[in-house]
Amino acid sequence: GAVVSQHPSWVICKSGTSVKIECRSLDFQATTMFWYRQFPKQSLMLMATSNEGSKATYEQGVEKDKFLINHASLTLSTLTVTSAHPEDSSFYICSGYNNYGYTFGSGTRLTVV
Amino acid sequence: DAKTTQPPSMDCAEGRAANLPCNHSTISGNEYVYWYRQIHSQGPQYIIHGLKNNETNEMASLIITEDRKSSTLILPHATLRDTAVYYCIVRTGGGADGLTFGKGTHLIIQP
Repeated sequence: GAVVSQHPSWVICKSGTSVKIECRSLDFQATTMFWYRQFPKQSLMLMATSNEGSKATYEQGVEKDKFLINHASLTLSTLTVTSAHPEDSSFYICSGYNNYGYTFGSGTRLTVV
Repeated sequence: DAKTTQPPSMDCAEGRAANLPCNHSTISGNEYVYWYRQIHSQGPQYIIHGLKNNETNEMASLIITEDRKSSTLILPHATLRDTAVYYCIVRTGGGADGLTFGKGTHLIIQP
């Protein structure tokens, strides 16, 4: 089956620094990648949608200058949290889409201290 | 996409069938019913989907009422590893929009 590899699985960073999260579709080409955020005891919330080679579209309330998304190839998308603050601490999950549906990564637990 | 309503939590004994209900009374004719689950601190996992006929795969069965306003996901022989949050999502089959997750049902399998 389709697999999306997401790294790192967890990261702790200092306030004000940037963190990059990487998602790779291992055995399929993801025409579209989605990025979600999940706070404790809450559901997944869609942050942004990216198509290979074009700019990402962000959901209302998500700062595009803070959450930089790059989808340079059909198998790789990255999310960079810039100038992270404690309120950015969350569980970030990517999802690759192709004609067969959605495949999710295993998630990245970000803690900003 | 149509809105769904699920009970916040359910318990089920290990080895028994777990029946998870979902109401989607505003579903439209071209919308499918999808089920995903999320085990703690992992990404969601696809389970099954259907349009109007009942569906079965190696993981579960999906029963959709004739009027399509509700459905039930059945895990025939629940194990402890089935403890997770189960999400019922209604959406059109084509296109590549992000999924809208509700609060889901936290299914707890009791030993």
